[in-house]
Amino acid sequence: NAGVTQTPKFQVLKTGQSMTLQCAQDMNHNSMYWYRQDPGMGLRLIYYSASEGTTDKGEVPNGYNVSRLNKREFSLRLESAAPSQTSVYFCASKVVQLTDTQYFGPGTRLTVL
Amino acid sequence: AQSVTQLDSQVPVFEEAPVELRCNYSSSVSVYLFWYVQYPNQGLQLLLKYLSGSTLVESINGFEAEFNKSQTSFHLRKPSVHISDTAEYFCAVTQGRNTDKLIFGTGTRLQVFP
Repeated sequence: NAGVTQTPKFQVLKTGQSMTLQCAQDMNHNSMYWYRQDPGMGLRLIYYSASEGTTDKGEVPNGYNVSRLNKREFSLRLESAAPSQTSVYFCASKVVQLTDTQYFGPGTRLTVL
Repeated sequence: AQSVTQLDSQVPVFEEAPVELRCNYSSSVSVYLFWYVQYPNQGLQLLLKYLSGSTLVESINGFEAEFNKSQTSFHLRKPSVHISDTAEYFCAVTQGRNTDKLIFGTGTRLQVFP
């Protein structure tokens, strides 16, 4: 099992460019999540998908869109990147039970110039 | 609103010394509590969690944390640290008992020196 995988690992964008961060999990998990990690701020939830076909906003959704393509894949799109979106982005997943643990991917380091 | 406070942003310690990483939370309802560890250039890994039952929980690599409801704390301890414990440690709390929404602390960087 690869667990949670993310592509790309690194990306540099210019202000206004768009891009999609990809996330896939092979653990047959129902729920998937996107976080951003900024220095001194911990991780903050951007969007999550409790099950295939549903998505919900987290704490910091502005400037992002998501797609739950199927049970395995959950993508995060930046339509018009801004320097404030420079961050490390983590994808996570878990099974449906409320007490289950979230498992994290290795992250994507994004720089917006 | 719920929040998590990790008072120490950095904790330097010598190898084989004991360490405590502090975590306090605010919540008016019952919660679940987690400690995650992040090694350099890696994602977060679950270290241990408290859901219910015994207030003392342990990890496989010698860390332990104690849930203290009256003090709303979930401090992480290890009696003797190793160089390989150098990492960033995050405390996280659920919103109520729903693990879909985790609230993370700002992290504590543990630096172990030889």
